[in-house]
Amino acid sequence: DAKTTQPNSMESNEEEPVHLPCNHSTISGTDYIHWYRQLPSQGPEYVIHGLTSNVNNRMASLAIAEDRKSSTLILHRATLRDAAVYYCTRSAGGTSYGKLTFGQGTILTVHP
Amino acid sequence: DSGVTQTPKHLITATGQRVTLRCSPRSGDLSVYWYQQSLDQGLQFLIHYYNGEERAKGNILERFSAQQFPDLHSELNLSSLELGDSALYFCASRPEYNSPLHFGNGTRLTVT
Repeated sequence: DAKTTQPNSMESNEEEPVHLPCNHSTISGTDYIHWYRQLPSQGPEYVIHGLTSNVNNRMASLAIAEDRKSSTLILHRATLRDAAVYYCTRSAGGTSYGKLTFGQGTILTVHP
Repeated sequence: DSGVTQTPKHLITATGQRVTLRCSPRSGDLSVYWYQQSLDQGLQFLIHYYNGEERAKGNILERFSAQQFPDLHSELNLSSLELGDSALYFCASRPEYNSPLHFGNGTRLTVT
């Protein structure tokens, strides 16, 4: 399974927007793009997912490129509690939906 | 709190031994997934069970096995343990297709 590619780390200031990029150039046409985040000593936590069009929820927005080879997770106003490792993942649909392929993730540091 | 419970939280054992990790999914979730997180391999999908039946296998070693019981809890059995099996083992559950995974906080296995 092809993994996604993300920057190793990013930094942000509190209350500023954060754009976390992800490259998934080998994604198939029916694969979903998911974002999870992991705080220290916890399991991954679902953030958002999408297939083709941009998605918004209470936590974040997901912007998917028209060719689907990349996507960007947008945290509109970063807080200190958003400091975590953010994983861009992919999966097929249907019965394989939960079979996620994780990359190395981006460590997000939020400065007060 | 994701609602997924994993026990024990920590496990220290010696090479060659066998251990059992336990997972209680969220109430009503029929699907259970097991993931392994190690420093060198990152998060990797191991196996998926749905309502007691194995549905998908990932990078799971032959020394490892899992099952899901009628009450939907799941166990991951690791045998002939090696130093390289030291990792965090996460369980995740979800109620139906195309819904996000909810991860537990993991079991940290240390093989000495």
